[in-house]
Amino acid sequence: DQQVKQNSPSLSVQEGRISILNCDYTNSMFDYFLWYKKYPAEGPTFLISISSIKDKNEDGRFTVFLNKSAKHLSLHIVPSQPGDSAVYFCAVSPNTGFQKLVFGTGTRLLVSP
Amino acid sequence: DAGVTQSPTHLIKTRGQQVTLRCSPKSGHDTVSWYQQALGQGPQFIFQYYEEEERQRGNFPDRFSGHQFPNYSSELNVNALLLGDSALYLCASSLVSGSTDTQYFGPGTRLTVL
Repeated sequence: DQQVKQNSPSLSVQEGRISILNCDYTNSMFDYFLWYKKYPAEGPTFLISISSIKDKNEDGRFTVFLNKSAKHLSLHIVPSQPGDSAVYFCAVSPNTGFQKLVFGTGTRLLVSP
Repeated sequence: DAGVTQSPTHLIKTRGQQVTLRCSPKSGHDTVSWYQQALGQGPQFIFQYYEEEERQRGNFPDRFSGHQFPNYSSELNVNALLLGDSALYLCASSLVSGSTDTQYFGPGTRLTVL
């Protein structure tokens, strides 16, 4: 029973263009949503988060959108840079206290010069 | 500001053995969570420690146990190792009483069971 799905295993984008990574979840009780980036041989690095009371959160080049009715989360990276090439995981939690994160399977983003 | 550290980096064990992995949380954090990441998968929650007690547990057998020390560092113990325990084990720390308790991850310990 996969509660969090990232249906695109990989995504290729040219430098300067927009990267859009998608994530779907099944449980409407999830309350807090996060994106992590992972380089090989490193642990996941926190990128950006959003709580269920919002539908958008921005931090520099990164914007997360939440559509609660569709149970859909997306991460936009504008403009994309070669250094953004990594595996991106979405993660969800039922609450903001004592998070128990449920991760998707990841999307590998490749940004070419 | 020291981030989350884990030791060892790599470990090779044989089936049936026992292993202990260690984690030091980010400075100022009081909660440690452990995750298992199999190849090609996202991390899976094992358990979480706060105030030296197991606070939450994922769907892992009792062979997986842990401990948190007064300085907030933590250990993950796995007994009777199986081939399927081969994975990257990630530790994440957070501050429960903070405005957000976002988890920050260490680099992981790569466990190979032969």
